Amino acid sequence: GAGVSQSPSNKVTEKGKDVELRCDPISGHTALYWYRQSLGQGLEFLIYFQGNSAPDKSGLPSDRFSAERTGGSVSTLTIQRTQQEDSAVYLCASSLGRIDYEQYFGPGTRLTVT
Amino acid sequence: EDKVVQSPLSLVVHEGDTVTLNCSYEVTNFRSLLWYKQEKKAPTFLFMLTSSGIEKKSGRLSSILDKKELFSILNITATQTGDSAVYLCAGWSETSGSRLTFGEGTQLTVNP
Repeated sequence: GAGVSQSPSNKVTEKGKDVELRCDPISGHTALYWYRQSLGQGLEFLIYFQGNSAPDKSGLPSDRFSAERTGGSVSTLTIQRTQQEDSAVYLCASSLGRIDYEQYFGPGTRLTVT
Repeated sequence: EDKVVQSPLSLVVHEGDTVTLNCSYEVTNFRSLLWYKQEKKAPTFLFMLTSSGIEKKSGRLSSILDKKELFSILNITATQTGDSAVYLCAGWSETSGSRLTFGEGTQLTVNP
């Protein structure tokens, strides 16, 4: 079946502008995660959604970052007033459950803030 | 704060060589350790290890976990150029069950 999809694949924006990144998880997956990967670095957890529970936002680096998940499916990560240090690949993953289930990753969105 | 450290950070070998990638972890209330392969953007799942001493194997890849010494290794035998990738290790905590803590990864390059 279809995997996790993300859009856009690449985004170049000017410093100070807002951006929205989209993630379509695998159908039936209740858990959805956002990670950020800076050049040459490992993945940094940002936020996690599980069903109708309140999201775990503990990884969001600042209040410029927010995310929502509508109808338990598609998720949007919004970065307001982008800064150059926000440049990274933003990866979305989904899984069948919270723990003991492997996470399936999307291809990511490469964000470049100029 | 949970921490995962991988070594080496990069490795260059010739086709046919055997490689061992290392991952040590400090994860509160550790539950499991995962290995991923990242070729371009999307990491792809390799193994999840929960029990100590039990080897998981998939083709030329195998991995084992040592919960006493807090480390895991990923072995790749008879390497091929297609094995060139970044290999990521991640630890899962029972108390912060919503997040994986990833290491920096090992960049493996297999030359023909």
